[in-house]
Amino acid sequence: SQQGEEDPQALSIQEGENATMNCSYKTSINNLQWYRQNSGRGLVHLILIRSNEREKHSGRLRVTLDTSKKSSSLLITASRAADTASYFCATVPVAGHFNKFYFGSGTKLNVKP
Amino acid sequence: GAVVSQHPSWVICKSGTSVKIECRSLDFQATTMFWYRQFPKQSLMLMATSNEGSKATYEQGVEKDKFLINHASLTLSTLTVTSAHPEDSSFYICSAIWTMNTEAFFGQGTRLTVV
Repeated sequence: SQQGEEDPQALSIQEGENATMNCSYKTSINNLQWYRQNSGRGLVHLILIRSNEREKHSGRLRVTLDTSKKSSSLLITASRAADTASYFCATVPVAGHFNKFYFGSGTKLNVKP
Repeated sequence: GAVVSQHPSWVICKSGTSVKIECRSLDFQATTMFWYRQFPKQSLMLMATSNEGSKATYEQGVEKDKFLINHASLTLSTLTVTSAHPEDSSFYICSAIWTMNTEAFFGQGTRLTVV
């Protein structure tokens, strides 16, 4: 399976704290993307990082990519209760056809007000 | 961002019947659409990839005859669950991309319950 693993599986923090989620994958990738899913809803794209990039920022989000370790991390700074959701990384393999997305197992984030 | 509309949002059907789920890209032409299945508290499992005008490519273990996918136009893909059984009950999500190596836009998902 090309599906990646994420840790932690669940994370509970206080509002204002930072949240860090990690994603590991198995094959060489073209890019890696992070998505957010509120309970029972579709996914919302957060950020895309290409294989030749090491770090990317978007607002309160910071993503890093280490292709040698086949891992990525998502940092949410100054978390808010509204950040409560499940977060998934998705990888697009280099050798893949049709730009397939393979999703990690997800991290369920709970931000307590 | 672009909008992908999935319909219906939820459906309850009797065992043995077929259910069709639609996925439409409303403001862009989707060269490729993906169908996923998600069990409660689990990740998304890719079921199949479809390109407009071509046969869908199914992931290993996904029954082609059970999950019929049609991508007849650049804005519409359909997933038909044939002869549905209770074990087919799940959350089905579609996504669409405009071109290679771009972000995917997701539908809001369809909750299928087979009774």
